Amino acid sequence: GAVVSQHPSRVICKSGTSVKIECRSLDFQATTMFWYRQFPKKSLMLMATSNEGSKATYEQGVEKDKFLINHASLTLSTLTVTSAHPEDSSFYICSARRRDIYSPYEQYFGPGTRLTVT
Amino acid sequence: AQSVTQPDIHITVSEGASLELRCNYSYGATPYLFWYVQSPGQGLQLLLKYFSGDTLVQGIKGFEAEFKRSQSSFNLRKPSVHWSDAAEYFCAVGELAGNMLTFGGGTRLMVKP
Repeated sequence: GAVVSQHPSRVICKSGTSVKIECRSLDFQATTMFWYRQFPKKSLMLMATSNEGSKATYEQGVEKDKFLINHASLTLSTLTVTSAHPEDSSFYICSARRRDIYSPYEQYFGPGTRLTVT
Repeated sequence: AQSVTQPDIHITVSEGASLELRCNYSYGATPYLFWYVQSPGQGLQLLLKYFSGDTLVQGIKGFEAEFKRSQSSFNLRKPSVHWSDAAEYFCAVGELAGNMLTFGGGTRLMVKP
C-alpha cells in the first residue's frame, strides 16, 4: 500500500513551452502533497506544499507564477512549469501524506520526473 | 530552524563489510527521524523511521538505526552490505510546523566487489 505515481517519468520540452507533471496517490487519499526539486547529486529542495482544495504554500525563492500547483482532489496534484527554460531542467519528485493514518511527517514519494528543457 | 547534516558525501565499502552512515540533526524538541534510499533516477524509499520508544529501530533490507539524543545523531547501520545497496541515502527530520521534512545532503554509497 501507499503507492504514489508520477507522470510522465521523463519529458523533454522546448524553451518557452509549458509542461504539466501529475502526482497521484494510487491506493490512499492524501491530505497533503509536496513537490520537491532535486539537482544532480544534490539533496531534495522543497518547492511547495499543497492541500486539497486550497492554494499551495510555496517555499521562499520559488516563483509561484512559474511553478503552478493544483491539488484538485485527494489523490491528484499537478505541477505545471510555465514558460520553461533550460535552467528549469531538473528532477522533480512529489510526495504525499496519508489521510487515514496518523503518522506525523511520514511522506510517500513518487518515482520522480526528469524534465529536460532544450 | 532545524537542520540535518550528513558529514560523508561519498562512502565506499566492500561487499560483505559493515556499514555506518552518519546523520546529525539540530532540532529543539524530540525529533521525528527518517532514513530514505534513492536509486539512480528513482524516487525515495523509506528504510526506517523513529518517532519514540526504543532508540534502536529496525528497517527494511537489513538496515537499522540508533537514535542518540546526547549526540543528536541517528546513524544508519547494516552488518553486511550487498552490491544492491549501492545508492544515495538521505536522512531527514520532521518539522512540526507544516509537517514538512528537512533532508540532509545525502551520502552516496558505492560497493566494491
